[in-house]
Amino acid sequence: QQQVKQSPQSLIVQKGGISIINCAYENTAFDYFPWYQQFPGKGPALLIAIRPDVSEKKEGRFTISFNKSAKQFSLHIMDSQPGDSATYFCAAGYLYNLFFGTGTRLTVIP
Amino acid sequence: SQTIHQWPATLVQPVGSPLSLECTVEGTSNPNLYWYRQAAGRGLQLLFYSVGIGQISSEVPQNLSASRPQDRQFILSSKKLLLSDSGFYLCAWTKTDMNTEAFFGQGTRLTVV
Repeated sequence: QQQVKQSPQSLIVQKGGISIINCAYENTAFDYFPWYQQFPGKGPALLIAIRPDVSEKKEGRFTISFNKSAKQFSLHIMDSQPGDSATYFCAAGYLYNLFFGTGTRLTVIP
Repeated sequence: SQTIHQWPATLVQPVGSPLSLECTVEGTSNPNLYWYRQAAGRGLQLLFYSVGIGQISSEVPQNLSASRPQDRQFILSSKKLLLSDSGFYLCAWTKTDMNTEAFFGQGTRLTVV
């Protein structure tokens, strides 16, 4: 059973464009929503995270939008760059549990 | 600074053979430790987590087991590997509260043949 549903599975964006990845969850106990970035052959690394008391968090070109009532959150990458090409995972957590989405492979074309 | 070491990086094992993957954390004490498996199209699946020495919680029933013999050491084991055990295994740690940044190791690519 997938606790966090992520889409799309893959995404191709032109350099300078906006990349948008969406996630949804059901468990209202989740209180921590991070996004991780993973390059091939490496472990994931935290990119940005949000807690449900805010609706948006921005760090540089990366923004999380959070809709608590809809139980959805998304990652927006502004001015996408070829170096952003990686797999992105959303996650939702509470206590000692952190559940990941299935990942989105982003390719930014120069 | 804290670092996490995971080895080996790659491993090819025959079906029915045992498995031992090791993970150690440096630069912190009493971390929460985790084993995840990453399979194509299925994201990261939490296998085990530990909040202290000898304390192991399993999220998914399977052919694997975990142990934490020391505060900063986490071991993933199997007595007899199955083909379905193939995958990319990741160790991670967090500070006491899980709802903070999780730091992942470089992963072990396991192929069972």
